[in-house]
Amino acid sequence: EADIYQTPRYLVIGTGKKITLECSQTMGHDKMYWYQQDPGMELHLIHYSYGVNSTEKGDLSSESTVSRIRTEHFPLTLESARPSHTSQYLCASSERQQGPQHFGDGTRLSIL
Amino acid sequence: GQQVMQIPQYQHVQEGEDFTTYCNSSTTLSNIQWYKQRPGGHPVFLIQLVKSGEVKKQKRLTFQFGEAKKNSSLHITATQTTDVGTYFCALVNNAGNMLTFGGGTRLMVKP
Repeated sequence: EADIYQTPRYLVIGTGKKITLECSQTMGHDKMYWYQQDPGMELHLIHYSYGVNSTEKGDLSSESTVSRIRTEHFPLTLESARPSHTSQYLCASSERQQGPQHFGDGTRLSIL
Repeated sequence: GQQVMQIPQYQHVQEGEDFTTYCNSSTTLSNIQWYKQRPGGHPVFLIQLVKSGEVKKQKRLTFQFGEAKKNSSLHITATQTTDVGTYFCALVNNAGNMLTFGGGTRLMVKP
């Protein structure tokens, strides 16, 4: 079982604020991912990384940005939050590119 | 782009009844994965199928990969309330660099 941690678990914040969602994993996985999921809906990949200093955009356009300075850490940043950013954000990691993904508990973000 | 269709979208069953969800792709797949997400939880990996016609079992769950590697199914025998959740299939995209998740089938079990 991969250990992958996301903070905060819940965040309610006003429009225009800068937000950073944290994701860390202790398994040494090179591959990490960020998904956006509205309640009861499918997962949409917004960012992924195959290793340090490697980041790519996923198949869903997002105004967020990511960085990968350390293998274990893959934070997601919103420079200026808007109500349309309200959603659940799930971080995942995998050992292999096409291998099973291990998910964190997610951050439920609500922008007022 | 790659199309993934998962049916049904919702399924209500009486406890003890069987349940099946289907995943269909518009293209031939290299492999397919299945995940379960409990209400309020995160997706949890269940299994990966790689070979044409492959059948794998996990207790009451049976997973199949179609002969043409374009579809897959998950069958639960004699559902229990602990089976409640959304079941997602996930396909490797054509470029082989990311997973595309199906829309999921939400299973509700009446005790």
